[in-house]
Amino acid sequence: DTGVSQNPRHKITKRGQNVTFRCDPISEHNRLYWYRQTLGQGPEFLTYFQNEAQLEKSRLLSDRFSAERPKGSFSTLEIQRTEQGDSAMYLCASSGPRQEPTNEKLFFGSGTQLSVL
Amino acid sequence: QKEVEQNSGPLSVPEGAIASLNCTYSDRGSQSFFWYRQYSGKSPELIMFIYSNGDKEDGRFTAQLNKASQYVSLLIRDSQPSDSATYLCAVNGASSYKLIFGSGTRLLVRP
Repeated sequence: DTGVSQNPRHKITKRGQNVTFRCDPISEHNRLYWYRQTLGQGPEFLTYFQNEAQLEKSRLLSDRFSAERPKGSFSTLEIQRTEQGDSAMYLCASSGPRQEPTNEKLFFGSGTQLSVL
Repeated sequence: QKEVEQNSGPLSVPEGAIASLNCTYSDRGSQSFFWYRQYSGKSPELIMFIYSNGDKEDGRFTAQLNKASQYVSLLIRDSQPSDSATYLCAVNGASSYKLIFGSGTRLLVRP
């Protein structure tokens, strides 16, 4: 198992454009999470899925953000009409291995660094 | 009040000393507590977890939990320059599998 994989590693876009990020979790994990992190801050929770169901979404999350996990495997995070304030590291994590589904330990991918110009 | 609070530091200790990192949390329903290490430009890496009151030791690391005081700490013995990083405290949300992170404490270990 190769761990959590995120693509792309870096994304530079102009304000107003849409961007999409992909996350492939650890294959045996049933939960997948998206977090956002800015310099000097801890990861901020955005949303999480259990299999294909989106169970929780941050109330601070703008309607411009949407996430999907259509087959309970990989996930995509789309940001529409990007703003400069969206510039951050977007981290994906997974947890809940098949043999221990209630295990809450999160394992993070390398992140996607978004820069909105 | 933030849900998980940490002193941002930096905490500077000499090589070989004990580094003590602290964290408080607001949700009394939280049951699971984690410490992550994050090197500059890298993603967080899990180093310790604790579920019960008391101490839990793993190598040079000891996690301490006091649920009555809503307090979690991490001790790093025999600190090494390679321990220099930001340490993030994370707590599970009540009735949820999400983890809530503090803003992290930056640790500097001086050779």
